[in-house]
Amino acid sequence: DTEVTQTPKHLVMGMTNKKSLKCEQHMGHRAMYWYKQKAKKPPELMFVYSYEKLSINESVPSRFSPECPNSSLLNLHLHALQPEDSALYLCASSQFSPGTSGSNEQYFGPGTRLTVT
Amino acid sequence: KQEVTQIPAALSVPEGENLVLNCSFTDSAIYNLQWFRQDPGKGLTSLLLIQSSQREQTSGRLNASLDKSSGRSTLYIAASQPGDSATYLCAVRGQGESGANSKLTFGKGITLSVRP
Repeated sequence: DTEVTQTPKHLVMGMTNKKSLKCEQHMGHRAMYWYKQKAKKPPELMFVYSYEKLSINESVPSRFSPECPNSSLLNLHLHALQPEDSALYLCASSQFSPGTSGSNEQYFGPGTRLTVT
Repeated sequence: KQEVTQIPAALSVPEGENLVLNCSFTDSAIYNLQWFRQDPGKGLTSLLLIQSSQREQTSGRLNASLDKSSGRSTLYIAASQPGDSATYLCAVRGQGESGANSKLTFGKGITLSVRP
């Protein structure tokens, strides 16, 4: 099973709402990632968790709050977002932590299409 | 800072044509290079991963090559089909400043349209 799942598929939220995005993998991977992708742009890395600890935060605003409850789950909590935060949010996982030499192929989920009104 | 370039941004070909998608990167200190496919509004599907020590990888009608010293990779698609229409992104995993924080750097992608 090489599947990364994400819920919900679509999310519309107001600027005062609080919502969460969820990501799950059952491949035994020890690194999980959040990316943000705007239309016609490549994905931009937001956060990396390695062995359930936050290892990379790409200077993401605090209105985005990641959480890794266990090795299979990754959440992204959203609060007081802006319309410019509307994008496709992608989750990915890899077998090893990012700094590991070797393959460490990343597997992506289908994404959550977020619209902030 | 690693930069990944994919040119052209868009490509339209007739069905059955063999085609080559190009990717170039500026820093040859990489662990590997990955080619992805993305359909509109969907996630990324990994197509091929080439380790820095490898020259090429093959999967079905796809063949990816890597010339690390010149900072280039190509994705060859044989006998293209309308179902191949998608955006193709290449991404390199750099060795990073400390080795502990290497991450994928993506190109902007090539949007391929295969006409029936």
